[in-house]
Amino acid sequence: EAGVVQSPRYKIIEKKQPVAFWCNPISGHNTLYWYRQNLGQGPELLIRYENEEAVDDSQLPKDRFSAERLKGVDSTLKIQPAELGDSAVYLCASSSRDSAYEQYFGPGTRLTVT
Amino acid sequence: AQSVTQLDSQVPVFEEAPVELRCNYSSSVSVYLFWYVQYPNQGLQLLLKYLSGSTLVESINGFEAEFNKSQTSFHLRKPSVHISDTAEYFCAVTPGIGQGGKLIFGQGTELSVKP
Repeated sequence: EAGVVQSPRYKIIEKKQPVAFWCNPISGHNTLYWYRQNLGQGPELLIRYENEEAVDDSQLPKDRFSAERLKGVDSTLKIQPAELGDSAVYLCASSSRDSAYEQYFGPGTRLTVT
Repeated sequence: AQSVTQLDSQVPVFEEAPVELRCNYSSSVSVYLFWYVQYPNQGLQLLLKYLSGSTLVESINGFEAEFNKSQTSFHLRKPSVHISDTAEYFCAVTPGIGQGGKLIFGQGTELSVKP
């Protein structure tokens, strides 16, 4: 079984530039999560999708961050414009309807904003 | 609001020694508790979980954790560690039933096993 796939693995951009991250969850998993992990910290939830619906986006900085999961499968997280403080690892995870508390994580995208 | 505190940011230990990684949480409602492990250059993996039933839960690779409601703790233990256990360990809590899969993570504990 393929795991959660994320791309790119690494991204370096200058501040004020846009950036996008892509995630393909495990096949059949209806719930998809985006987390941000700052250096030396645990992951923090940004947004959670149930199929194509964003059911929890309370921690998403909506002035510059956006996300979509149009067909209820893969998802894109975008930052525009990026700020220095956005440097972090962006993690995608997925879980099935039967095991909502067992999340499977991708390897993450390490973003560096210069 | 729920929160998770991992009391040690780094735990160095020699191979075959016992180890305990401490985790405390705060919550006014029933919670589910988890330990995730992150090996170098890999994604987080679920190590073990407490949802209900026995307060002592075990993983397939020899770790165990005990849910202590009175002390609001979920410490992770292993009687004899291996070099391959070197990783970052995250304790997480979800605020009970009805919150979907929302997880709140602690800051992480870096376990470093030395030969």
